[in-house]
Amino acid sequence: NAGVTQTPKFQVLKTGQSMTLQCAQDMNHEYMSWYRQDPGMGLRLIHYSVGAGITDQGEVPNGYNVSRSTTEDFPLRLLSAAPSQTSVYFCASSDRYDEQFFGPGTRLTVL
Amino acid sequence: KQEVTQIPAALSVPEGENLVLNCSFTDSAIYNLQWFRQDPGKGLTSLLLIQSSQREQTSGRLNASLDKSSGRSTLYIAASQPGDSATYLCPNTGTASKLTFGTGTRLQVTL
Repeated sequence: NAGVTQTPKFQVLKTGQSMTLQCAQDMNHEYMSWYRQDPGMGLRLIHYSVGAGITDQGEVPNGYNVSRSTTEDFPLRLLSAAPSQTSVYFCASSDRYDEQFFGPGTRLTVL
Repeated sequence: KQEVTQIPAALSVPEGENLVLNCSFTDSAIYNLQWFRQDPGKGLTSLLLIQSSQREQTSGRLNASLDKSSGRSTLYIAASQPGDSATYLCPNTGTASKLTFGTGTRLQVTL
């Protein structure tokens, strides 16, 4: 099993550009989520999904969009990048209330 | 709103010491409790998972306990080693397997 994979590892964007952060898991987990990690702050939940076709907002959803068309994939879209979105992004997956597995992260810089 | 507090925020100990990391939650509605470590610039590595029906878990030199009634968890590390140096996180698992993170305890074990 590859576990949770994320691409790209690093990305630099200009303000206003859009992009998609990819997340995939091969453990057939129902639950997937996206977090961002900023210096001095705990990881914060952006969006989450409890199954294919079902998504909901977390604590900091503004500026981000998600969809879940398959169990395996949960991409995160930045609609119009802003410097405030400079962060490290982590994707996680789990079965319901079971062990959570995190991807290696994507380090995003918005200039 | 669930909040997670981790004490101490930072800790430096000489190799071989036993130590305790503390985690407290404002909402005692905890489905399970998972301890992670995060090395600088890296992702989250799962250490221990305490399921809702359990009170503690052990893995090697690590022992984690959970007291739901008081909303507290502790991670005990025996005979610390330099390789234990990392940031330790204890997010609370809420509904829909959403995690709420504190800012972590940064541990340094010196030779």
